[in-house]
Amino acid sequence: KNQVEQSPQSLIILEGKNCTLQCNYTVSPFSNLRWYKQDTGRGPVSLTIMTFSENTKSNGRYTATLDADTKQSSLHITASQLSDSASYICVVIPFTGGGNKLTFGTGTQLKVEL
Amino acid sequence: EPEVTQTPSHQVTQMGQEVILRCVPISNHLYFYWYRQILGQKVEFLVSFYNNEISEKSEIFDDQFSVERPDGSNFTLKIRSTKLEDSAMYFCASLQGGGPYNEQFFGPGTRLTVL
Repeated sequence: KNQVEQSPQSLIILEGKNCTLQCNYTVSPFSNLRWYKQDTGRGPVSLTIMTFSENTKSNGRYTATLDADTKQSSLHITASQLSDSASYICVVIPFTGGGNKLTFGTGTQLKVEL
Repeated sequence: EPEVTQTPSHQVTQMGQEVILRCVPISNHLYFYWYRQILGQKVEFLVSFYNNEISEKSEIFDDQFSVERPDGSNFTLKIRSTKLEDSAMYFCASLQGGGPYNEQFFGPGTRLTVL
C-alpha cells in the first residue's frame, strides 16, 4: 500500500530560526512529489513540485530536496515567520497515467513563536 | 486570481439526513476532485471526476456518496444518509489538464458536523 510518512509530527521554533521537515514514502513508481502548506481550517496550498529526476526546488524561503533512491524528501524553511505556523504536508503523485490521485502524508504541525 | 470556492463553509446536520456540498471549480479546469480530512487526520482522496463521469474512487466513496456536475460551473458531493463518522472537512479541488505535473487547486473546504 502506498504510504507517505512525515516527521516530526509537530515542531515549535522561535521566529527567525530555520527548520527542516522530513518525508519518507513508499509510493512507487511516482511522477512527482509536492509539499503543501495548510493553514488551520483551510485547503492545502502548493509550495513546491519536484519530478522524480529533480534533487532540489526552492520557492522563496522554502527549499525542498528529494532523494528518489532512498525515497526521502525534506522541506527546509529559513528565517521562519509567525505566518509560517501551519501544517506542512508531503504529497506524492503515483505514476498511474491518469486520475492524479494525491497520496497525502500525515503532516507536520509547525508553530512559530516569538 | 481564479480560485476554487465551496459552500457552505460549515454544515451541521442530523444523522441520517442527506447533505449536498457544493463547489465551483476554476472555470477552465477539466478534472475535479473531492477529498476529506477527519479532524486530526490526514487528507484522504474520495473521488475524481472527468468528462461527466467518475474516473477513480476510493474505498471510502461507497454507495452513500455521489457526485454530480449539474451545470457548467458547479460540482457537488452528496451524502445520502449521513453517519457520525462522516463528520470531517471536505475539500474540493480542480485541475486544468490531466498531466501528473499539473497542480490541483484546493477550495477552502466545508466543515461537516453530523450530530
